[in-house]
Amino acid sequence: AQKVTQAQTEISVVEKEDVTLDCVYETRDTTYYLFWYKQPPSGELVFLIRRNSFDEQNEISGRYSWNFQKSTSSFNFTITASQVVDSAVYFCALSEAPNQANSKLTFGKGITLSVRP
Amino acid sequence: DVKVTQSSRYLVKRTGEKVFLECVQDMDHENMFWYRQDPGLGLRLIYFSYDVKMKEKGDIPEGYSVSREKKERFSLILESASTNQTSMYLCASSLWPVNLNNRAGETQYFGPGTRLLVL
Repeated sequence: AQKVTQAQTEISVVEKEDVTLDCVYETRDTTYYLFWYKQPPSGELVFLIRRNSFDEQNEISGRYSWNFQKSTSSFNFTITASQVVDSAVYFCALSEAPNQANSKLTFGKGITLSVRP
Repeated sequence: DVKVTQSSRYLVKRTGEKVFLECVQDMDHENMFWYRQDPGLGLRLIYFSYDVKMKEKGDIPEGYSVSREKKERFSLILESASTNQTSMYLCASSLWPVNLNNRAGETQYFGPGTRLLVL
C-alpha cells in the first residue's frame, strides 16, 4: 500500500531562517509522482510542485527548493529565508496507479509551519 | 489558470438534513475528487469520478453519495447529515493522465473548500 509520512507536525521559525520540511514515502510502483501543496489559512490547497519518479534532479524556484532522493524514498522541501507569508500547512502527496484513469493521490498528514516576525 | 469553485465557503446545517455541496471546474478536466479534511487526520478521499456518470468510492464513502451529470460539475451529497460530518470539504480536479511525459496529468487542483458545521 502507498504511504506518505510527514513526521514533523508543527515547525516554528523566526523570519529569515531556512526551514526544511521532510517527506518520506512508500510505494511498490516503479513509476509514480510526488507532489507538494501549500494550504494557507484561507483553506485552499495550492499546488507547488510535481516530480516524476524518473527525474531525481533537484529543483529550485525562488526561495523554494526540493530534494528528491529515491535511495531514501524522500522528497524534502526547503524554504530559504522564510517569510511570514510562508506560514501555512504543507502537504506531501504520492500518486497511486499513475497514468491510469482512476489514478488518485495519497496525502501525508501535513506540517504546520509558523514563521514569526 | 485552472479554476475550481465550490458553492459555499461556510455552511451550517441541522442533523438529518440533506446537504448538497457543489463543485465546478472550468478546465475541461476529466477527473474530479471530493476530500474531507480533519485536524490530525489530513485529507481523506471520499469519492472520485474519472468521467461523466462514473464514480468510485474513496477511503471513507459511508454516509455520502456523489453525482456527475456534466463534466464540469461534481456534487457531494450528505443524505442525512450527522454531527460527525462536520468538517472541511475540498473538491479537486485533474486532467486524464496520458503518459509519464504529460506534465499536466495527475496534478490535482483544489477549490477553496467548504467548512460545514452540522448541529
